[in-house]
Amino acid sequence: AQSVTQLGSHVSVSEGALVLLRCNYSSSVPPYLFWYVQYPNQGLQLLLKYTSAATLVKGINGFEAEFKKSETSFHLTKPSAHMSDAAEYFCAVSPFDSSYKLIFGSGTRLLVRP
Amino acid sequence: DADVTQTPRNRITKTGKRIMLECSQTKGHDRMYWYRQDPGLGLRLIYYSFDVKDINKGEISDGYSVSRQAQAKFSLSLESAIPNQTALYFCATSDTHSDSTDTQYFGPGTRLTVL
Repeated sequence: AQSVTQLGSHVSVSEGALVLLRCNYSSSVPPYLFWYVQYPNQGLQLLLKYTSAATLVKGINGFEAEFKKSETSFHLTKPSAHMSDAAEYFCAVSPFDSSYKLIFGSGTRLLVRP
Repeated sequence: DADVTQTPRNRITKTGKRIMLECSQTKGHDRMYWYRQDPGLGLRLIYYSFDVKDINKGEISDGYSVSRQAQAKFSLSLESAIPNQTALYFCATSDTHSDSTDTQYFGPGTRLTVL
């Protein structure tokens, strides 16, 4: 069965510092992978997705993620954190079955210090 | 106006009560999903539907039921609410016929508290 592991339930960075949120997946075949962001009191918004095209995926708000098959990873990065990036981030995998469902990681809350 | 709406946004109820959460979408998508979010657990799938006649259980369907009244409406019911159903509930949609068929679009969520 496919699964997603997000290392670190909370990550704290200073404004202007590099953001790195970690995601590892378990899958017998390269899956589709997603990063969603949840701002306070809002639903989830798609940041970016990997669907077997380019391994470096660029998303909204300056975020990007790199698919590394050898490491089964899909880490999310942003060169310079902004206060508005404070939110909860979810990595998700879509299994290759008829459900088209998403399997989510447990989430990482990003705190940005001034 | 939001493409995926959920009502109510907040609900407090008592153990044993029947509760219905509603989801409507104007995106014209055929697939709809219900997830629940618990702290430290991420989102887990309760039910999903590909059209009005196609309803499927997710990983945590026990204690829940759903109704797809129309392509645009998907309701989640708790027949007899219990405290461990206290959670944030999200509806999501996706489109079979889109180039982004794998992408799901989420509503704003319903915060349910069962006392």
